[in-house]
Amino acid sequence: GDSVTQMEGPVTLSEEAFLTINCTYTATGYPSLFWYVQYPGEGLQLLLKATKADDKGSNKGFEATYRKETTSFHLEKGSVQVSDSAVYFCALSNQAGTALIFGKGTTLSVSS
Amino acid sequence: DTEVTQTPKHLVMGMTNKKSLKCEQHMGHRAMYWYKQKAKKPPELMFVYSYEKLSINESVPSRFSPECPNSSLLNLHLHALQPEDSALYLCASSPSGGSYGYTFGSGTRLTVV
Repeated sequence: GDSVTQMEGPVTLSEEAFLTINCTYTATGYPSLFWYVQYPGEGLQLLLKATKADDKGSNKGFEATYRKETTSFHLEKGSVQVSDSAVYFCALSNQAGTALIFGKGTTLSVSS
Repeated sequence: DTEVTQTPKHLVMGMTNKKSLKCEQHMGHRAMYWYKQKAKKPPELMFVYSYEKLSINESVPSRFSPECPNSSLLNLHLHALQPEDSALYLCASSPSGGSYGYTFGSGTRLTVV
């Protein structure tokens, strides 16, 4: 079945460091791909998305490119801030669009 | 309105109580979802409603009973829960199908005592 694999962390960085969180997927057909962020004690917020191969999603300095050839959707940010500390979930929507399938989440901790 | 609103934000209930969680959206989305999230884990799908009809039940125990009174509202009725049911319950919605993303509410943190 469809699945998402992401590095689990925790990832600990200093402020202004470069961030990469790896995400790969297994799916039939052409899924849509998402990154969600969850701050402590809150629900999930959509960070960015890509609906077809080679699309680049971007938001708040974060970027991810839908790579069909490597079945990947890695999250990057050039300079992280303390306020980026959160749990990041990679997810895919299967072709039928009936469910959102999550990776296990990556905890990011940024220190000043 | 681009939000999914969940009430209450926090709920403590005994194992013999009956309570309900509520979810509301006014984005015209035709699919609505209940997810359960335990600490440090990803959300797990419980139920999917599509056009107000239950389309997916992920083998959820009958002590959880979903209801979709209309296209904007989704309820989750709780009865005779166990302490292990304590979790964050998240509601989400999407346009018919989820290719364009799901909007999540901020959740109800449930504690069963």
